Amino acid sequence: DAGITQSPRYKITETGRQVTLMCHQTWSHSYMFWYRQDLGHGLRLIYYSAAADITDKGEVPDGYVVSRSKTENFPLTLESATRSQTSVYFCASSESSPGAQYFGPGTRLLVL
Amino acid sequence: AQSVTQLDSQVPVFEEAPVELRCNYSSSVSVYLFWYVQYPNQGLQLLLKYLSGSTLVESINGFEAEFNKSQTSFHLRKPSVHISDTAEYFCAVSVGGGSEKLVFGKGTKLTVNP
Repeated sequence: DAGITQSPRYKITETGRQVTLMCHQTWSHSYMFWYRQDLGHGLRLIYYSAAADITDKGEVPDGYVVSRSKTENFPLTLESATRSQTSVYFCASSESSPGAQYFGPGTRLLVL
Repeated sequence: AQSVTQLDSQVPVFEEAPVELRCNYSSSVSVYLFWYVQYPNQGLQLLLKYLSGSTLVESINGFEAEFNKSQTSFHLRKPSVHISDTAEYFCAVSVGGGSEKLVFGKGTKLTVNP
């Protein structure tokens, strides 16, 4: 009954460090997405995945890496964090295309 | 490219008053439309969706939205709001052609005052 979970919920890191945000869904949805939410910009798509081992870039992919070796997991890695990556990150999943997306609770990331 | 415009960034209303949150999108070609609600420090929750069929869609908590193809709009309405409706509301549209990707508006912050 967990649905979609994200970890950690809060993270503070320093410029230049690698950070991985985790996303896990229990619905076996095919599609998964990563967004960042910033004041004045709404939600912007970073990367998405249509199935295991299939990923594609969204609107703002630079500085991020994703992988999807299993259907239920979709980690997002910031290879070398920058202050501009301070944001709230949301993971979402969808069963079909087109279809409603279901969001996780978010990860608040602060890069010092 | 598909785009979504939410015309009001903030909407203050009094409790029990009606409210309309406006949403316009850029293309009328085969779109699918959604409204999401975000309460403070939480993720987005699906409020309602239009995929096909009746142009008027309703949510379980009294909100409704009408798909208007000629005006490329999908405005959200509620005849009588409660304090608990205070939240940010996001309109979203599929990119088109059945794409799984959504484009979101920048959100409208609804504040219901007693």
